[in-house]
Amino acid sequence: GAVVSQHPSRVICKSGTSVKIECRSLDFQATTMFWYRQFPKQSLMLMATSNEGSKATYEQGVEKDKFLINHASLTLSTLTVTSAHPEDSSFYICSAPLAGSAHNEQFFGPGTRLTVL
Amino acid sequence: GENVEQHPSTLSVQEGDSAVIKCTYSDSASNYFPWYKQELGKGPQLIIDIRSNVGEKKDQRIAVTLNKTAKHFSLHITETQPEDSAVYFCAASRLASYDKVIFGPGTSLSVIP
Repeated sequence: GAVVSQHPSRVICKSGTSVKIECRSLDFQATTMFWYRQFPKQSLMLMATSNEGSKATYEQGVEKDKFLINHASLTLSTLTVTSAHPEDSSFYICSAPLAGSAHNEQFFGPGTRLTVL
Repeated sequence: GENVEQHPSTLSVQEGDSAVIKCTYSDSASNYFPWYKQELGKGPQLIIDIRSNVGEKKDQRIAVTLNKTAKHFSLHITETQPEDSAVYFCAASRLASYDKVIFGPGTSLSVIP
């Protein structure tokens, strides 16, 4: 099956700094990718839809100036958490649909654990 | 927008018994319903899915049923094994190009050896 990778898998940063998370589709191209956030013992909450070559679409309540998304190529989307604070500590997961697969099946990355001190 | 509810939130079963997880959705336009298994510290993995034009689908020990009229769908795991222990999420989506997937709150399944 298709593979989606994320880097880094874990990151610890100081409050006020910015952190970049990469999401890559390793063996297929993805014009669209999705970013989710998951707090402990909770579900995955969609943050935004990343579109290659155009602006991302953010879900209601997600600050676009705080969570910067760049989808610069057909295999890479990045999420930058700007001026991170402890409440931004979470598990960030991306997904990418595989065009032509049954039901445009979405493949999920392994997640990035962000801890803001 | 779509809202997916899921019950129970936690479920413990003896090894070999069956487990059933139930979900409801609100958006009548949703027509694709995947189920994901998530192990601790990992991303979710698709285990089975069903389209709205099908009432039931089975894959070995896993089956999913869908009642489109009632907007209910369920996951059935038979002959449970300890390795089935994980968090399971139901989800709903519109079967359009690259449409977003909305997740239910999850069910933590524990299979007791």
